[in-house]
Amino acid sequence: GAVVSQHPSRVICKSGTSVKIECRSLDFQATTMFWYRQFPKQSLMLMATSNEGSKATYEQGVEKDKFLINHASLTLSTLTVTSAHPEDSSFYICSAGQGQVQYFGPGTRLTVL
Amino acid sequence: GQQLNQSPQSMFIQEGEDVSMNCTSSSIFNTWLWYKQDPGEGPVLLIALYKAGELTSNGRLTAQFGITRKDSFLNISASIPSDVGIYFCAGPFSSGTYKYIFGTGTRLKVLA
Repeated sequence: GAVVSQHPSRVICKSGTSVKIECRSLDFQATTMFWYRQFPKQSLMLMATSNEGSKATYEQGVEKDKFLINHASLTLSTLTVTSAHPEDSSFYICSAGQGQVQYFGPGTRLTVL
Repeated sequence: GQQLNQSPQSMFIQEGEDVSMNCTSSSIFNTWLWYKQDPGEGPVLLIALYKAGELTSNGRLTAQFGITRKDSFLNISASIPSDVGIYFCAGPFSSGTYKYIFGTGTRLKVLA
C-alpha cells in the first residue's frame, strides 16, 4: 500500500512555456499533499502544501503565481510551473501522507531550455 | 530556522561492513523519519520513529530516536552493494504538522 505516482517522469520544455506535473495517491486518499524541489546533490526543499478543496500554502520564498497548485480530489494534486525559465530546471517530487508518515512519488525531472 | 545536519556527509565502505550515520536538529522533534533515495528516484521510507529512546529495526537497518529528541541514528549492518544511495532523515516543521524538513543527507558508497 501507500503508493504515490507522478506524471510525467521527465519533461523538457522551452523557456516561457508552462508545464503541469501530476501527483496521485493510488491506494489511499490524501487531504494534504506536499511538493518538494531538489537540485543536484542537494536535499529536498519543501515548496508548498497542497490542500484538497482549498488554497495551497507556500513556503517562504516560493512564488505562488509561478508554481500553481491545484488539489481537486482526494487522490490528485497538480503543480503547474508557469512561464518556465532555465533556473526552474530541477527534480520535483510530491508526497502524500498516511498519518505521520509521508510517502513520496518517483519524481519529475524538469529541464527548461 | 530549523536545520537538520547529517553526519557523515558521505562515506565509502567495504561490502560487509556496518555503517552508522546520525542526524541532529536545532530543535526538539516528536517524529523522525529515515528515507533512502536512489539516483533519479523519489525517497523511499525506511523507518519511522515516534518516541524518545525508541529503537526500531527493518531488516539490516536499525534506527534510534535520541533521548534528547534532538537527534536520531541509523545503522546498517553487513552492507551490500544495493545499499548505495543517499540517506535522509526528516522531522516535522512543528508539532502536529505533517510538513517535514529534510536533513542534508549522507551519501553511501559500497565497495564490493
